[in-house]
Amino acid sequence: GAVVSQHPSRVICKSGTSVKIECRSLDFQATTMFWYRQFPKQSLMLMATSNEGSKATYEQGVEKDKFLINHASLTLSTLTVTSAHPEDSSFYICSAIPLGGNNSPLHFGNGTRLTVT
Amino acid sequence: SQQGEEDPQALSIQEGENATMNCSYKTSINNLQWYRQNSGRGLVHLILIRSNEREKHSGRLRVTLDTSKKSSSLLITASRAADTASYFCATDASGGSNYKLTFGKGTLLTVNP
Repeated sequence: GAVVSQHPSRVICKSGTSVKIECRSLDFQATTMFWYRQFPKQSLMLMATSNEGSKATYEQGVEKDKFLINHASLTLSTLTVTSAHPEDSSFYICSAIPLGGNNSPLHFGNGTRLTVT
Repeated sequence: SQQGEEDPQALSIQEGENATMNCSYKTSINNLQWYRQNSGRGLVHLILIRSNEREKHSGRLRVTLDTSKKSSSLLITASRAADTASYFCATDASGGSNYKLTFGKGTLLTVNP
């Protein structure tokens, strides 16, 4: 149980275009989902916390107008990288916790490798 | 700055040997978690140890927590080639409903067959 599906797993786009990444909790409901960015051989950097039905909370230094997050339902959060540039190329990972599961382990998607050419 | 810092950054051992990874953190925590990440994949939760616990076991995994030293260790016994992965500690120092995990830089473990 507690499966998180992230799609797509890989995407290549041209500079200036936008890319949407989906994160779905398949067998549980998640009021809270998290979006991370990971550079090669580095740790996960929390970008934002996505709460169902409300605005996402962004970490310091993360541009909310560039990384649009929508958490429209208890099983789906999306991250849209707008006007992508080569420096946005990275590995993006989402995670979710079940309803009422604060202080519980996170369930991660398998990540999305974004390459901006 | 990173809340959790693992060492070593990289560890290479032979199959059958034990692997020990350490994690240090800076602030008081509610719990500390260890995750595993295979290359190019998401993270998989291994063990959660609460701040009032000192040791926890799960199969070949043993985690210790020393809150006085703000450190934790992950021991993998009788390692296998399939244990090759990056291992991250994550600390939960959040309060109330504002749940937030902070990840360390990870230890890359290579188990040679």
